[in-house]
Amino acid sequence: GAVVSQHPSWVICKSGTSVKIECRSLDFQATTMFWYRQFPKQSLMLMATSNEGSKATYEQGVEKDKFLINHASLTLSTLTVTSAHPEDSSFYICSAPGAGSGPTNEKLFFGSGTQLSVL
Amino acid sequence: DQQVKQNSPSLSVQEGRISILNCDYTNSMFDYFLWYKKYPAEGPTFLISISSIKDKNEDGRFTVFLNKSAKHLSLHIVPSQPGDSAVYFCAASDFNKFYFGSGTKLNVKP
Repeated sequence: GAVVSQHPSWVICKSGTSVKIECRSLDFQATTMFWYRQFPKQSLMLMATSNEGSKATYEQGVEKDKFLINHASLTLSTLTVTSAHPEDSSFYICSAPGAGSGPTNEKLFFGSGTQLSVL
Repeated sequence: DQQVKQNSPSLSVQEGRISILNCDYTNSMFDYFLWYKKYPAEGPTFLISISSIKDKNEDGRFTVFLNKSAKHLSLHIVPSQPGDSAVYFCAASDFNKFYFGSGTKLNVKP
């Protein structure tokens, strides 16, 4: 199946610093990538949809100036958490749609996730 | 507001028996449903899916049932194996946006 690589898998940073998370599709091109966040015992919540060559689409309540998304190429999307605060500590995971068997939908292929801890 | 809910955070089953994982949703516009399995330190991987036009889809030991009137889907694993121990997420899709439940941790005891 398709592979999505996400780095880093774990990052600890000081409050006020910025952290960049990379998501790469290794064996397929992804014009769209999704960024999710998961707090403990909660659902994976969609933060934004990253679109190659255009601006990302953010979900309601997600600060676009705080969570900068750049879809630089058909295989790379990055999420930068700017001026991180302890409440940004969470599990961030990216995904890209690949060909699936559904009539109108595609399966998602996920990265392995990034656990962010802000001190 | 969560549109997809998995009300059981954990489930423990004996090897060889059936595992039944449940999922409820609220949005009647969802037209595609998926189950993902997640091992520790790995991203979720696709397991099985079902279109809203069907009520059952089977793939080996895994069967997904969809009850649209009840807005409920379930994943049956039979027979359960220790290697099935993982967190299972259900997801629903509407126009290529995916909404996930909070996951159910399945433990299959040898």
